Amino acid sequence: DGGITQSPKYLFRKEGQNVTLSCEQNLNHDAMYWYRQDPGQGLRLIYYSQIVNDFQKGDIAEGYSVSREKKESFPLTVTSAQKNPTAFYLCASSGPGTGNYEQYFGPGTRLTVT
Amino acid sequence: DAKTTQPTSMDCAEGRAANLPCNHSTISGNEYVYWYRQIHSQGPQYIIHGLKNNETNEMASLIITEDRKSSTLILPHATLRDTAVYYCIVRGRNSGNTPLVFGKGTRLSVIA
Repeated sequence: DGGITQSPKYLFRKEGQNVTLSCEQNLNHDAMYWYRQDPGQGLRLIYYSQIVNDFQKGDIAEGYSVSREKKESFPLTVTSAQKNPTAFYLCASSGPGTGNYEQYFGPGTRLTVT
Repeated sequence: DAKTTQPTSMDCAEGRAANLPCNHSTISGNEYVYWYRQIHSQGPQYIIHGLKNNETNEMASLIITEDRKSSTLILPHATLRDTAVYYCIVRGRNSGNTPLVFGKGTRLSVIA
């Protein structure tokens, strides 16, 4: 069953701790993305990667870090430097398989930092 | 990518057609119109896209005006499960593997 998995669905952390969100895809897509969503808002881009071992900052990269060591995996670390980390985090991937490059999204991780 | 404008919210009676408008008056000739939707607390889902001809798939129809400055997404027989936020996004023909730019979308409420 092809798709994108994000784990966990809910995550709770204390302020000052780093936390890593998992994103895995088995769609053989080259590109992967991390977005953040706050209540009542659209999605905002944190980081994206178009190829293994390469990634670019999005609009709100400060306080976040990523790695892309494998095609299938694009973990996001929320560091203690992120001032307002509580949010809904969405991972996506895209590739030329359908010719349209539409993005496929995971189910999301809801992070709460207190 | 061109900017889009959508109404903040809309209601639709169950079983009726839901018509969601989108304005994209600055769209250029090589830009496509994409629609995604996001059901509450889930990731967005691709619905449909088009360049200038009307498009239809199993989920919806997309009607693009002749001047391409606006479009309408049509859900022909809305159900309660269609309640979601619908995003209209304009992207260049050669955008390939580049990020999507999301606005706030239209919150569609389907009412029984």
